[in-house]
Amino acid sequence: GENVEQHPSTLSVQEGDSAVIKCTYSDSASNYFPWYKQELGKRPQLIIDIRSNVGEKKDQRIAVTLNKTAKHFSLHITETQPEDSAVYFCAAGGSNTGNQFYFGTGTSLTVIP
Amino acid sequence: DAMVIQNPRYQVTQFGKPVTLSCSQTLNHNVMYWYQQKSSQAPKLLFHYYDKDFNNEADTPDNFQSRRPNTSFCFLDIRSPGLGDAAMYLCATSSDPNQPQHFGDGTRLSIL
Repeated sequence: GENVEQHPSTLSVQEGDSAVIKCTYSDSASNYFPWYKQELGKRPQLIIDIRSNVGEKKDQRIAVTLNKTAKHFSLHITETQPEDSAVYFCAAGGSNTGNQFYFGTGTSLTVIP
Repeated sequence: DAMVIQNPRYQVTQFGKPVTLSCSQTLNHNVMYWYQQKSSQAPKLLFHYYDKDFNNEADTPDNFQSRRPNTSFCFLDIRSPGLGDAAMYLCATSSDPNQPQHFGDGTRLSIL
């Protein structure tokens, strides 16, 4: 099955700086890569996603890049704000993997005011 | 407005006593997923339904089963809960496996 590794496990940045979280996956059949933000005690919420036919996607301060050859994808958050503090999960899977989804181990992001 | 609703929010059961968690959706999505999330860990996919087709993850314990009587509802049955089954159980839906999943608020299960 799929194996998704995520780094770093914790990340602290100053408000206004950028944050980068990286994930690698093992199953080359994976074709859908969402990123979720989960605040303490709350549901995971999608912040951005990317499909295997696209190399980069941006939504305001958030961007995701995908390198299919290397089997890694990254989340970039610019101009971080204290409300960005949360746990972020990457995931890999999709229709080409039998609709399976595997989450990374999570990154706890703290934005220091 | 909540679109994926899980009941109950908190469930306490005794060791070995069967328990059922429920999930309903108003999105008319084809796919429904059940995840187990333990403290400070990532959600782990237990199984999913694509319409009526049931798909069990290889390492999901036999103790866990699911039912989807119609598009809107899906149930997670734990036949004989053990202490290791204490966790948050998350239901999610999507229109297609390559589309975003919408999560419910989860049911926190405690085992006495």
